[in-house]
Amino acid sequence: IAGITQAPTSQILAAGRRMTLRCTQDMRHNAMYWYRQDLGLGLRLIHYSNTAGTTGKGEVPDGYSVSRANTDDFPLTLASAVPSQTSVYFCATTVSHSSGANVLTFGAGSRLTVL
Amino acid sequence: GQNIDQPTEMTATEGAIVQINCTYQTSGFNGLFWYQQHAGEAPTFLSYNVLDGLEEKGRFSSFLSRSKGYSYLLLKELQMKDSASYLCAVRDRDYQLIWGAGTKLIIKP
Repeated sequence: IAGITQAPTSQILAAGRRMTLRCTQDMRHNAMYWYRQDLGLGLRLIHYSNTAGTTGKGEVPDGYSVSRANTDDFPLTLASAVPSQTSVYFCATTVSHSSGANVLTFGAGSRLTVL
Repeated sequence: GQNIDQPTEMTATEGAIVQINCTYQTSGFNGLFWYQQHAGEAPTFLSYNVLDGLEEKGRFSSFLSRSKGYSYLLLKELQMKDSASYLCAVRDRDYQLIWGAGTKLIIKP
């Protein structure tokens, strides 16, 4: 089934540890995004990539890094996790909709708890 | 700053109609989106408005007034499965998406 696969589904992590959240898509979409979702706040963009080989910073990039070695994979790394990075993380791509809009389609999410 | 306002929570009765409002203050406007998000799941696209007026799609309709910085999502013939959060998002002049915190809709029998 075509779509976006995220792993792990959930993870509990000790503060200071390194963690990589994986995101793979099989739709060959150029643009990919990482968002975090916290209770009471809107989705916030962490990093994005418009095409393989390029990345950019979103609204809340500090403490996170990404790479885009190929079209399909867009991993998000927390170099040294802190409790404020406890969140649900969504990977997304954009799909052209019949309305003419580029619509975000999301992976199932990765729930990360940093203790 | 840029801001999207939505009610935090609403309650409605199965079979009824509910209107979820969204007001926005953004740097420019290049479209407004509504997404549905069931608890523990990813957001899924519902509707897109870029011109003023009403867009109807089955039981769901979305309205936009750009001059008022206002949109609403109208859900008719509510079903229990409509219990979810509804997220409003606006694309600003730089094509960045600004998200509201979402409205949790509770449907009662």
